[in-house]
Amino acid sequence: GNSVTQMEGPVTLSEEAFLTINCTYTATGYPSLFWYVQYPGEGLQLLLKATKADDKGSNKGFEATYRKETTSFHLEKGSVQVSDSAVYFCALSDSSGNTGKLIFGQGTTLQVKP
Amino acid sequence: DAGVTQSPTHLIKTRGQQVTLRCSPKSGHDTVSWYQQALGQGPQFIFQYYEEEERQRGNFPDRFSGHQFPNYSSELNVNALLLGDSALYLCASSLRLTGGNTIYFGEGSWLTVV
Repeated sequence: GNSVTQMEGPVTLSEEAFLTINCTYTATGYPSLFWYVQYPGEGLQLLLKATKADDKGSNKGFEATYRKETTSFHLEKGSVQVSDSAVYFCALSDSSGNTGKLIFGQGTTLQVKP
Repeated sequence: DAGVTQSPTHLIKTRGQQVTLRCSPKSGHDTVSWYQQALGQGPQFIFQYYEEEERQRGNFPDRFSGHQFPNYSSELNVNALLLGDSALYLCASSLRLTGGNTIYFGEGSWLTVV
């Protein structure tokens, strides 16, 4: 079945450091890929998405490229801020009719220190 | 434009009791999905409702049931609560026509079973 695997956290960085959170997936067909962010005590917010191979999603300085050849969707940011501290979830939606069912990774906690 | 709203925000129940959680989708959305997020884990898909019918179901027992009303709002019911049902329950809404490409989450309902 479809699945998502994320690098384990927590990831601890100093402010202005470069961020990479790895995400790989297993899926049949051509799923859409997403990164969601969850701040402490809050629900999920969509950070960025990509719907087909080689698409690059971007938002708030974060980027991720849909790599079908390596089945990956790694999240990157050039310079993190303390306010980026949160849990980040990689997810895919099934490609059979794209009905809105999401499959999530286990989440990666990011801690940014001043 | 109101986003996805869920109620209650927090609740505590006793093992064996029943609970009902409520969700109002984002304006214009017609599909509602429910997810369970245990502490430190990624959300797990419970089921999805469209046109007042359950369309997809994840790997959850029959103790978990739901309903969708003509105004697209939805309820999640859990019977015979177990300690392991303690989790954040997230509601997500989407538009069937656009599928999984635009999914919005509510803030969630924190359920504690004691």
